[in-house]
Amino acid sequence: FMLTQPHSVSESPGKTVTISCTRSSGSIARNSVQWYQQRPGSSPTTVISENNQRPSGVPDRFSGSIDSSSNSASLTISGLKTEDEADYYCQSYDSSTYIFGSGTKVTVL
Amino acid sequence: QVQLVESGGGLVKPGGSLRLSCAASGFTFSDYYMTWIRQAPGKGLEWLSYIATTGNTIHYADSVKGRFTISRDNTKNSLYLQMNSLRAEDTAVYYCARLYGHFDNWGQGTLVTVSS
Repeated sequence: FMLTQPHSVSESPGKTVTISCTRSSGSIARNSVQWYQQRPGSSPTTVISENNQRPSGVPDRFSGSIDSSSNSASLTISGLKTEDEADYYCQSYDSSTYIFGSGTKVTVL
Repeated sequence: QVQLVESGGGLVKPGGSLRLSCAASGFTFSDYYMTWIRQAPGKGLEWLSYIATTGNTIHYADSVKGRFTISRDNTKNSLYLQMNSLRAEDTAVYYCARLYGHFDNWGQGTLVTVSS
């Protein structure tokens, strides 16, 4: 299966952005979805695990959800800050294979 | 704190081989599944392989199956990736990551360039 994300999103500081991640086949609820943030020149870090869990140290401005009706997961970043400018990747799993989405570049205007 | 440090990257000719290493510290290495993930220049993340705690379970992405071999040495707290029959499209930064439900800690990556 594939995970499809928008190529890019942009918004002003203080606003809210939502990034979608649509699973091409099989239920989005079948396996958990994770979200990773990758700032330029850095390694990825987890911002959401198990669909909606924030690891320690991740601000509560980050939230995750899944929607079975659209077979997609979403990452929402509220109160956007310049430090949130990064690439974001969704990731899931099936049949011993880990799949990443294509990535979304978030630009803070 | 958890630290993962990759090494072994470099320039290699097409058809050549390279062995990457990942030195782990700050946690009980033998308790965790480990994985390799790569990122081609300007591209997204691609999962390559994972290995269970004792090495008895291993899986590969189709793109590297038969060419890459993952292994670990729990006595040395180290993870390895033997890469054979390298192609230009294998050019990427290679990350090792700890697998605990998700990829919860990543190394800084090591660059592999396949070019003549």
